[in-house]
Amino acid sequence: GDSVTQMEGPVTLSEEAFLTINCTYTATGYPSLFWYVQYPGEGLQLLLKATKADDKGSNKGFEATYRKETTSFHLEKGSVQVSDSAVYFCALRGGGADGLTFGKGTHLIIQP
Amino acid sequence: EPEVTQTPSHQVTQMGQEVILRCVPISNHLYFYWYRQILGQKVEFLVSFYNNEISEKSEIFDDQFSVERPDGSNFTLKIRSTKLEDSAMYFCASSAGRGARTEAFFGQGTRLTVV
Repeated sequence: GDSVTQMEGPVTLSEEAFLTINCTYTATGYPSLFWYVQYPGEGLQLLLKATKADDKGSNKGFEATYRKETTSFHLEKGSVQVSDSAVYFCALRGGGADGLTFGKGTHLIIQP
Repeated sequence: EPEVTQTPSHQVTQMGQEVILRCVPISNHLYFYWYRQILGQKVEFLVSFYNNEISEKSEIFDDQFSVERPDGSNFTLKIRSTKLEDSAMYFCASSAGRGARTEAFFGQGTRLTVV
């Protein structure tokens, strides 16, 4: 079945550092890929998405590129802020599926 | 901005009791979902619902679970006889359409604690 693997956390960085959270997937067909973010005490919010190979999703300074050859969708940000502290979930939806398949989530902590 | 709302935010129930988790999806959405996240584990898909019937369900969604859209706005998840291992955060979501490219909007979750 489909699966998503993302790096374990917590990831602790200083403000203005460069961020990469790795995500790789296994899926049949041509899934769409998503990054969701969960801020403390809140629900899951869509951060960005990409629906086909080589697409780049971007939002709030975050970017991720759909790499079919490496089955990856790594999340990056050039300069993180304390307000980016949250849990980040990589997810996919296969072409024939209703439900999303999530990774375990990566807890990101940004220190001032 | 429209949002998915869930009530209650936290529910404590005794093992063996029935519990109903409630959700109000975004008003013009047609597809509805429940997910759960056991503490420290992945967010897992439970069920999707469209046109007043279950569209897809995972192996987690056994006979103890049921979903219903009792009126035009609410979408509920019922657990008939709760077990300790049902303790989790339950997320409701809705989407305007179906398919790989569709964005799902999530509620804040209901934390269910079975004691």
